Amino acid sequence: DAKTTQPNSMESNEEEPVHLPCNHSTISGTDYIHWYRQLPSQGPEYVIHGLTSNVNNRMASLAIAEDRKSSTLILHRATLRDAAVYYCILNTGTASKLTFGTGTRLQVTL
Amino acid sequence: EPEVTQTPSHQVTQMGQEVILRCVPISNHLYFYWYRQILGQKVEFLVSFYNNEISEKSEIFDDQFSVERPDGSNFTLKIRSTKLEDSAMYFCASRSTGGTGELFFGEGSRLTVL
Repeated sequence: DAKTTQPNSMESNEEEPVHLPCNHSTISGTDYIHWYRQLPSQGPEYVIHGLTSNVNNRMASLAIAEDRKSSTLILHRATLRDAAVYYCILNTGTASKLTFGTGTRLQVTL
Repeated sequence: EPEVTQTPSHQVTQMGQEVILRCVPISNHLYFYWYRQILGQKVEFLVSFYNNEISEKSEIFDDQFSVERPDGSNFTLKIRSTKLEDSAMYFCASRSTGGTGELFFGEGSRLTVL
């Protein structure tokens, strides 16, 4: 599996935007970039995914670099409920498994 | 909104006992997975299942583990003889045939082996 690199932790103030970076310099042409998050004491939860173009959904936005070697998950207005571990994962979109790394632990403060 | 459900939410067992963890995937999904997460560690892949057979398994998934889809709705993980190190959260996940690979996870079953 192609590897991703994320900061161990980040902090944000509530109501402010958060940009969570991910490097994936060995990404292949068929790899989708997926983001999941895991709230405390819960299972992982799908957030967003993309291939080449930037993507928006109700939870977040995904900005993908032109060379696809990095991406950024954007939470437009962080809330306390967004405090979680965020995982950036490459996946070919087939039945293949997701491989979770250590992710970025996001702390949101008042 | 459809969801993956898992039972039990917490099970305590003695070392050496058999444990069965149950999952009801989302109804039109055909790919099923088990993951586990030891306290404070990463979420680890155990096994994937499609078309009534294992499609991939990790090194963790040894002969003590088995999976089954007994009745078309449940998806079970059996641990034949539990060890202390099997204590973890076990997450079931499912995926549809379409889309680009989004997995839907259950809330997990916490297994404590004494």
